[in-house]
Amino acid sequence: KQEVTQIPAALSVPEGENLVLNCSFTDSAIYNLQWFRQDPGKGLTSLLLIQSSQREQTSGRLNASLDKSSGRSTLYIAASQPGDSATYLCAVGPYNQGGKLIFGQGTELSVKP
Amino acid sequence: DTGVSQNPRHKITKRGQNVTFRCDPISEHNRLYWYRQTLGQGPEFLTYFQNEAQLEKSRLLSDRFSAERPKGSFSTLEIQRTEQGDSAMYLCASSFPDMRESPLHFGNGTRLIVT
Repeated sequence: KQEVTQIPAALSVPEGENLVLNCSFTDSAIYNLQWFRQDPGKGLTSLLLIQSSQREQTSGRLNASLDKSSGRSTLYIAASQPGDSATYLCAVGPYNQGGKLIFGQGTELSVKP
Repeated sequence: DTGVSQNPRHKITKRGQNVTFRCDPISEHNRLYWYRQTLGQGPEFLTYFQNEAQLEKSRLLSDRFSAERPKGSFSTLEIQRTEQGDSAMYLCASSFPDMRESPLHFGNGTRLIVT
């Protein structure tokens, strides 16, 4: 059974710092991995999608990497800003499971001015 | 593209009552998913449709839950005889059918409180 774990559960950093969020998964048979952002009381916003054949994806100050063999992904946020404060969730799409995603519990990020 | 729309945004109901939520996906998307999220947890898969066909249901979806997508456009999720344990955020998402390349687009959810 696929399990997704995110560490740390919460993180507080000063503005301007670069930071890394971690995601690990137990079964490497995935077709993609997605990172989402969730603001309090809201739905999820897709940030980056990495296909299983890819190693990384970049969007602006965000860079996500994928190492299927070790079951790990990282989300790197450069030059953090207070507006980056949110919960960040990673999710994997397992093969043979119809396109649904398995989510981690999320990392709650707070960027202090 | 107006995004995924969910109604209502909030619902407070008494235990034992029935509730129904609606989801309007992005019009070009033929896959539609329902997830449930409790405080401090990631979303948990409930069910998904491709067009009007319901292709998978999670074991979380007890007999009190039913979902429909009658014309392959909007979807409804009904909970009968609500229990306090049903209190959660119910999220709808849609996507294209290419699982490898198509990210999920989520609505803002329906927050259910059962008293």
